[in-house]
Order: sequence, then structure tokens, then C-alpha cells
Amino acid sequence: EDQVTQSPEALRLQEGESSSLNCSYTVSGLRGLFWYRQDPGKGPEFLFTLYSAGEEKEKERLKATLTKKESFLHITAPKPEDSATYLCAVQAPDSNSGYALNFGKGTSLLVTP
Amino acid sequence: GAVVSQHPSRVICKSGTSVKIECRSLDFQATTMFWYRQFPKKSLMLMATSNEGSKATYEQGVEKDKFLINHASLTLSTLTVTSAHPEDSSFYICSVLRTSGRISYEQYFGPGTRLTVT
Repeated sequence: EDQVTQSPEALRLQEGESSSLNCSYTVSGLRGLFWYRQDPGKGPEFLFTLYSAGEEKEKERLKATLTKKESFLHITAPKPEDSATYLCAVQAPDSNSGYALNFGKGTSLLVTP
Repeated sequence: GAVVSQHPSRVICKSGTSVKIECRSLDFQATTMFWYRQFPKKSLMLMATSNEGSKATYEQGVEKDKFLINHASLTLSTLTVTSAHPEDSSFYICSVLRTSGRISYEQYFGPGTRLTVT
């Protein structure tokens, strides 16, 4: 059973066209929800951690929010350099390590000039 | 954050040989590291948790005799793929766990190692 579901799978935006990526989760007792950016052939780059519903964090054009069932990554006025795959992950309490991450399949974002 | 390196970044080996991948935490001492693998256009799948000074714990379905993990120091964990086969070809990524206080536990990833088995 999938614990983390991201949508859409792919998103194409024009430069300056704001949008949101969704991450819904079914883990009970959430320890933390994480957002990462991954460029092709690279490891994931840490963006945000959210720990409780109602929490929000911002970094440049990105803003992450969290509810009890989902998280949104809002991208305001994106630029072509924001093109990447955005990964959402939750800490998996039923893995051998309670701190290991269970990833969604990601949203591939393309921002065109 | 945290700075994590991996070596090599790319490796090609012949079927039946073994390959060692190093993961280093460059700016803090990491008691816990993780190893993931990623297939093309797929997300990261946890393989094992590496704890300094003790045996690694493997996820279900991951062969511990095939994927040997050694976490001999607080800055280095190694993953050895033994008797590699073409189906082991993948992108292997390590991460370090950084904790701060009681509730902050973040993972920072290395740049990954692309393994191709011919």
C-alpha cells in the first residue's frame, strides 16, 4: 500500500506561471514530511521538513504547507532553473529504522521561458 | 545542512565482480546513514540502514550477503555489491541522518553512484 502519493506526475509551466504540487500521505503518527528537489543524475537536494499540521516553510519561490492528510509545494513565478523532479517523503515508522524515508514517485516539473 | 560525498560517481564492472561504493559525511559525524537505490524514472527505495559500530539493518527483500554495508567510522559508510549482475545496475544514493534536538531529524543525500554491470 502506497503511503505517499504525488500529483501530478508531470507538470509543464510557463515562466512566471504559479502552481502547486500535491503530496498526500496515509502514514499514521507522522514524524516528518520532507520535500526534496532532484536534478537528473544527481542526489536529492533537501528543501523543507514539516513536522505538524498547519506548519509552513518558505525558501525563495517555494512554499511548503502541511495538513493532516497532505502537503503542498507552492511555486510562485517559477523560472526555468526551477525545472527538476520534486520528491515528497515521509518517515516510515514501520521500517527497520524509524528515521528512514518513504518516497513518493515525484513530480517532474518543466518551466519553459 | 550537511555535505555528503560519494565515490565513485560512476562505475562500470563486469558481471561476477564486486564493486565498493563509499559514502562520506564531510562536515559532521553521522551515527546513522542510509543506502537507497533508484531505477530510471522511479523513486528512491530504501535498501538498508547503516549504524556506526554495529551491523546494518536491511529492508525486506534486500539480500544482505549481496549488498555488504560497513559503517566503520562516524564519517564513512561503504556499500559493496558482491558478484554483481546486470540487474544490479542502478543509481545508488546514500544519505546521512542529522538530528537537532528532540524533533528535528533531517536526511541529506550524496550525489549518487551510477553502477553499470556488463
